[in-house]
Order: sequence, then structure tokens, then C-alpha cells
Amino acid sequence: QVQLVQSGAEVKRPGASVKVSCKASGYTLNEYGITWVRQAPGQGLEWLGWISAYSGHSNSAHKFHDRVTMTADTATSTGYLELRSLRFDDTAVYFCARSGPHLTTATLAHYWGQGTLVAVSS
Amino acid sequence: DIQMTQSPSSLSASVGDRVTITCRASESISTSLNWYQQKPGKAPKLLIYAASSVQSDVPSRFSGSGSGTDFTLTISGLHPEDFAVYYCQHSYGSPPFTFGPGTKVEIK
Repeated sequence: QVQLVQSGAEVKRPGASVKVSCKASGYTLNEYGITWVRQAPGQGLEWLGWISAYSGHSNSAHKFHDRVTMTADTATSTGYLELRSLRFDDTAVYFCARSGPHLTTATLAHYWGQGTLVAVSS
Repeated sequence: DIQMTQSPSSLSASVGDRVTITCRASESISTSLNWYQQKPGKAPKLLIYAASSVQSDVPSRFSGSGSGTDFTLTISGLHPEDFAVYYCQHSYGSPPFTFGPGTKVEIK
């Protein structure tokens, strides 16, 4: 069955970087994309970006454009989200989800990881 | 960027009630609209895509409609497991694919 297992919780200082992993199983990673969404404590969902493991193409929300890198390692069936120059308001649960391989299907997130808490604290 | 709004922000309803949630886009998005359900401490679940296409594992009491800028999610007969937060999200054109602020459905 399709599963996405994310890395564990992280505590980081302001200005540091964090890299969250998303290990996929039960399907072939390079036939799909990975979407990243975050949720600050008590808040709603925020779309961060999407990468196609099929084409390597990626898009991220403008507000994160210069701080975020998304990658997909098809050899290990793992997606990664790196967020740099962390700020206090980056504290959130970060979710990965399997989505379509093309931009037109990038939001069809049928399977999700369990979420990774990233806390930014001094 | 396309902005999404939802109304109401929260509602109280009883088991068996019919519930309607509205989502509005800041510009026309055709039928490029998804609905998600999220329960506390859990990942979101895709309910409806393309405004009215219901995911295969979603009960038939969930339905979606709308096009252009105005959309609705209807639950025809609330079940206890339906109490959750519901989000709309557009999938039109270029990113970012923004979510609405959410509607919390609570037990009356």
C-alpha cells in the first residue's frame, strides 16, 4: 500500500536550515510528484510547493522562493524539503503528499505523510 | 496570486443536518477547485477535485458544485465522523495553489 513516512521533529535556531525527508513506498516515485504543505500551530494550511519526480520540474510559493529547495531522489524513493534562514514564524507541522506528475495534477494529493514538526526557537 | 475565502469560518450542526460551506476565489478559476477535510492531529484528506468530482473513497453524502468564483461543499446528512475542518484550494493556472482559511464544523 502507498505510504509516505516523514522524518522526525526538529528544533532549530533562527537563521538555521532544516531538511525534512519524505520516504515513499508502495509506488514508483518517478511516476508522481510530491507536494509540500505546512500548518502553523492552530492555523490553516499553507501550500509551500510541488516537485515532479517524473520531470524534475518544481514550483514554490513566491514567499518561500529564495529560501526553499525541493528535491526528489528516485534511487531511494525519498523527497526532501529544505528551508533556509529559519524564522520564528516558520514553526509549523510540515506535510508531504503524493500528487500528480504534472502541474495540472499537482494539487491532487491523495496520500499524505504523518507530518513533521519544525520548531524554531532561540 | 489568487486569494481564497470561505464562509462561514465555523458552524455548529447536529448529526443528520445538511451543511453547506461556501468558497470564493478572487478571480475566475473555472472548476479548478479542491476540497479537503482535516481532523485534529491528522493530515488533510482530499474529498473533491475539479469542483464536483468526489474521490472514490469518500461517502456519497459529500458533494461539490460551482464554477468561476463561487463554490459550495455540501454534506447531506452529517455523520459523527464529519466533524472536522474543511478547506478549499484552487488548482488553476500557475502556483501558488492557495488554500482557503478553513471552515470548522462543530457539534451543536
